Amino acid sequence: GEDVEQSLFLSVREGDSSVINCTYTDSSSTYLYWYKQEPGAGLQLLTYIFSNMDMKQDQRLTVLLNKKDKHLSLRIADTQTGDSAIYFCAEKRAGGSYIPTFGRGTSLIVHP
Amino acid sequence: DAMVIQNPRYQVTQFGKPVTLSCSQTLNHNVMYWYQQKSSQAPKLLFHYYDKDFNNEADTPDNFQSRRPNTSFCFLDIRSPGLGDAAMYLCATSQDSYEQYFGPGTRLTVT
Repeated sequence: GEDVEQSLFLSVREGDSSVINCTYTDSSSTYLYWYKQEPGAGLQLLTYIFSNMDMKQDQRLTVLLNKKDKHLSLRIADTQTGDSAIYFCAEKRAGGSYIPTFGRGTSLIVHP
Repeated sequence: DAMVIQNPRYQVTQFGKPVTLSCSQTLNHNVMYWYQQKSSQAPKLLFHYYDKDFNNEADTPDNFQSRRPNTSFCFLDIRSPGLGDAAMYLCATSQDSYEQYFGPGTRLTVT
């Protein structure tokens, strides 16, 4: 399987919370990232979490990390139509390349 | 604002006709990366420069080359584009191993 896995699609209603999930395989991951890509644009770093943290909150965004299960999630509260985009999870590993490994991205569709 | 700029945003080239994509940055980062991204896929790293040191990924075709004449600029040269090279090409920068900052990308079409 892939090193970083994400479901491909998520559809939510405007105003609801969105939860985008990601699993990774390398327990030595040091940093885990969430990037947002709007149509026709590059990747925008949304937030990141150190591997020694369980949770990080930044306004409407909450990142949860379960190191035991190698599971990362991004919760977007009060989802808006402007949040419609592809969300990429990425991990960076200790002791090896400093280049992050990206998942395939989750396409978030927000409908009225 | 400090940023990563890519030109052009859209590029059309003919099969086999060399093409160059450009990236510049005002962040003064020492690392610059080129990624290829096809639809519904993760960005695929082609190569990167750590300062002046060029690092090629093992599976990057020889058809793809890069130049970094100075800290601010990096170019992606595709010597003989094939139909399979049509993709979004993303440039990114970072300071050492810290987080990457991406440009808006260049959408390459091969006719």
